[in-house]
Amino acid sequence: DSGVTQTPKHLITATGQRVTLRCSPRSGDLSVYWYQQSLDQGLQFLIHYYNGEERAKGNILERFSAQQFPDLHSELNLSSLELGDSALYFCASSPQTPAGRGSGANVLTFGAGSRLTVL
Amino acid sequence: SQKIEQNSEALNIQEGKTATLTCNYTNYSPAYLQWYRQDPGRGPVFLLLIRENEKEKRKERLKVTFDTTLKQSLFHITASQPADSATYLCALRDDKIIFGKGTRLHILP
Repeated sequence: DSGVTQTPKHLITATGQRVTLRCSPRSGDLSVYWYQQSLDQGLQFLIHYYNGEERAKGNILERFSAQQFPDLHSELNLSSLELGDSALYFCASSPQTPAGRGSGANVLTFGAGSRLTVL
Repeated sequence: SQKIEQNSEALNIQEGKTATLTCNYTNYSPAYLQWYRQDPGRGPVFLLLIRENEKEKRKERLKVTFDTTLKQSLFHITASQPADSATYLCALRDDKIIFGKGTRLHILP
């Protein structure tokens, strides 16, 4: 158990629907990252939150949104789902993020992932 | 922006030999480079971090090198075991932490 909790583990839904994925970071970690992993694409960065504020955004679709709450858990909302959204969605957390190049020292602790299947 | 290139072909190594995996990046040298292990259907697990002023870092049977001139990191597993079979990812920070696609390693008994 990594200490990062993701729910649900598996989710099957239909095109056009909306789902919410939830992540609880490791105790004491202030940063939460979301990644999408599909078969051919590897781990694609979606978004990073630090202590409730958005810090960086990747190529996240407009249909996707996320937030980090005051208790530091985070939710990733995926709407108007398409077949191509089927993937593993990982959340990761890390401790306080220093600024600038030092932030590359942040080690990510990943959750077990949420597997989304869109039919 | 940075791109990370890892050999997408699977690497088959005989048990007991040294496995060497390559990670190349395209732009400026990051201050840190990280290596993770990922088993099928599971989240990546951190293995090692190397700083730009470190040439080499070791942890048990693992060794990582970092050559900022070549823009390359090498990841070595010595005395490889079938349990080392997994996908290995390298990661660095651009304006966000990005990962290579990983190299699948198979250790053959």
